[in-house]
Amino acid sequence: AQSVAQPEDQVNVAEGNPLTVKCTYSVSGNPYLFWYVQYPNRGLQFLLKYITGDNLVKGSYGFEAEFNKSQTSFHLKKPSALVSDSALYFCAVRDSTGTYKYIFGTGTRLKVLA
Amino acid sequence: GAGVSQTPSNKVTEKGKYVELRCDPISGHTALYWYRQSLGQGPEFLIYFQGTGAADDSGLPNDRFFAVRPEGSVSTLKIQRTERGDSAVYLCASSTTSVGQETQYFGPGTRLLVL
Repeated sequence: AQSVAQPEDQVNVAEGNPLTVKCTYSVSGNPYLFWYVQYPNRGLQFLLKYITGDNLVKGSYGFEAEFNKSQTSFHLKKPSALVSDSALYFCAVRDSTGTYKYIFGTGTRLKVLA
Repeated sequence: GAGVSQTPSNKVTEKGKYVELRCDPISGHTALYWYRQSLGQGPEFLIYFQGTGAADDSGLPNDRFFAVRPEGSVSTLKIQRTERGDSAVYLCASSTTSVGQETQYFGPGTRLLVL
């Protein structure tokens, strides 16, 4: 069975500092990995994805994520956080050998302090 | 272009009643997904359609929940004999199914409250 874990309910970071939001996964086959962001009173928005290829994936708004197969992780990163990055972030995984069934993590609330 | 739309945006009903939630996907997207999001949780997979057929309905919690997509576009999630525990935000998403292009586009959700 596939699963995804976001071990931190909340991450606080000062504006201008680098940020990391953690995600680990478990699938039987190869993983397809995604990050989505949810702003208050708005729908989920796609940030980036890893399907195949380079382990470092770049996405929207300056975010990037690194796929690490040995650690089964897909941590979200940004070199310099903005106050406007404050939101709820979700990691999701799909098993490439299964159906298009996505499993989402419980979310990490990012708070960027001015 | 138009994104995924969901109606109604809010629905209040009484325990035991029947409700229908509608999703209009992005034109041309063959894949359509329904999720349920409870407070403080991530989206929970309910069902996935490929065209008109339900390719994976393993997330439907019980037989009170049913979804259709008769013409491969609009989908309706139907909940019979609603219970207070069904209260949540119901999200719909659509995507293409070309490998590498399967970004899901989410609608704003329907907030269901069962009294």
